[in-house]
Amino acid sequence: EVQLLESGGGLVQPGGSLRLSCAASGFTFSNYAMSWVRQAPGKGLEWVSAISDSGGTTYYADSVRGRFTISRDNSKNTLYLQMSSLTAEDTAVYYCAKHTTNWYYFDYWGQGTLVTVSS
Amino acid sequence: QSVLTQPPSVSGAPGQRVTISCTGSSTNIGAGYDVHWYKYVAGTAPKLLIYGNNNRPSGVPDRFSGSKSGTSASLAISGLQAEDEADYHCQSYDRSLSALVFGGGTKLTVL
Repeated sequence: EVQLLESGGGLVQPGGSLRLSCAASGFTFSNYAMSWVRQAPGKGLEWVSAISDSGGTTYYADSVRGRFTISRDNSKNTLYLQMSSLTAEDTAVYYCAKHTTNWYYFDYWGQGTLVTVSS
Repeated sequence: QSVLTQPPSVSGAPGQRVTISCTGSSTNIGAGYDVHWYKYVAGTAPKLLIYGNNNRPSGVPDRFSGSKSGTSASLAISGLQAEDEADYHCQSYDRSLSALVFGGGTKLTVL
């Protein structure tokens, strides 16, 4: 059974940093691209960042490029999102999601971790 | 403002059929990129419902169907059941943004 378990969310002050993790199990992690997707309160889903199966290629939404860094450790079956220069607009539930072999959509998601940016 | 546009809410009585629209543009749905649908219940992981416009993953009942035409797509749910009450999100790819994009989500209420 595929499982994705996010952690690392919490309350952080504006301008601060936070690192999210997503522990994956139930599939060969190193064979699939992964993404982070977020949902701000009262808003729709927003794709944040993606990383290729090897970790060699990364992609970012314009809203986070230069502030967030996605990475993965295939030996630990873990996906990361390093977030810096956080603002209130980054407040959201952050989900990790597994891409299918067709890169353009996701077949499994985690339950999310809440990030609140507030003073 | 989401790149794909969905109605904020729809409703229907048990047994009825409802449709949820997803409207995009010439740079995403209209450019030929597939549309995918996810079901979300608060506190749980979003679930893939329809992929590639009209394909159901194993385990998804055939009461759920998808279609795509031009710059829009639709999700249809027939034989509504109480367990269908959830938020539904469409998703595609936008070539001008070079980004995966979502609709704002539609809350389905089963009356």
